[in-house]
Amino acid sequence: AQSVTQPDIHITVSEGASLELRCNYSYGATPYLFWYVQSPGQGLQLLLKYFSGDTLVQGIKGFEAEFKRSQSSFNLRKPSVHWSDAAEYFCAVGAREYGNKLVFGAGTILRVKS
Amino acid sequence: KAGVTQTPRYLIKTRGQQVTLSCSPISGHRSVSWYQQTPGQGLQFLFEYFSETQRNKGNFPGRFSGRQFSNSRSEMNVSTLELGDSALYLCASSPEGANYGYTFGSGTRLTVV
Repeated sequence: AQSVTQPDIHITVSEGASLELRCNYSYGATPYLFWYVQSPGQGLQLLLKYFSGDTLVQGIKGFEAEFKRSQSSFNLRKPSVHWSDAAEYFCAVGAREYGNKLVFGAGTILRVKS
Repeated sequence: KAGVTQTPRYLIKTRGQQVTLSCSPISGHRSVSWYQQTPGQGLQFLFEYFSETQRNKGNFPGRFSGRQFSNSRSEMNVSTLELGDSALYLCASSPEGANYGYTFGSGTRLTVV
């Protein structure tokens, strides 16, 4: 069965510090990988996506993620966090072979302290 | 380009009633998916429509149904509402499917009392 694990439920970082959110997946097919961000009461905004090619992908708002096939991981990073980055972050995996549905991790809530 | 529009934003219904939620995808997007988000279960896939055909369905009871119109707009219906159906229902659209990524709407917050 397909599954996505985000090991950290909550993460607190100081403003200006670097950030890494972890994501591991278990998927039988070659996956498409996504990171979404959700502010309270809002929908999901796509930060970045990986389909193939260069394993380091750049997204919006200064985020990047690296796909590591050997570790089945797709960790999200940002070199310097801003207070406005406080939100919940979701890793998601999809594949055409699995009917185009996205399987989401449980999410990581990011708190930014000033 | 307009984003994914979901209406209404908020709904309060009584147990046993039925409800219809609407989703207008981004122009040109033919794939529309629905997800349920709850604090306990997280984000769960309900179904996906492409060119008016249901291509995939999640593990939800038959009370949950949907459809897609020729203009790609989609509706989902929940009959005989239960308290556990209280959730944020998110619609997402894509040109063709997962290989393009999905753009999500702001959701409809359904409260069943």
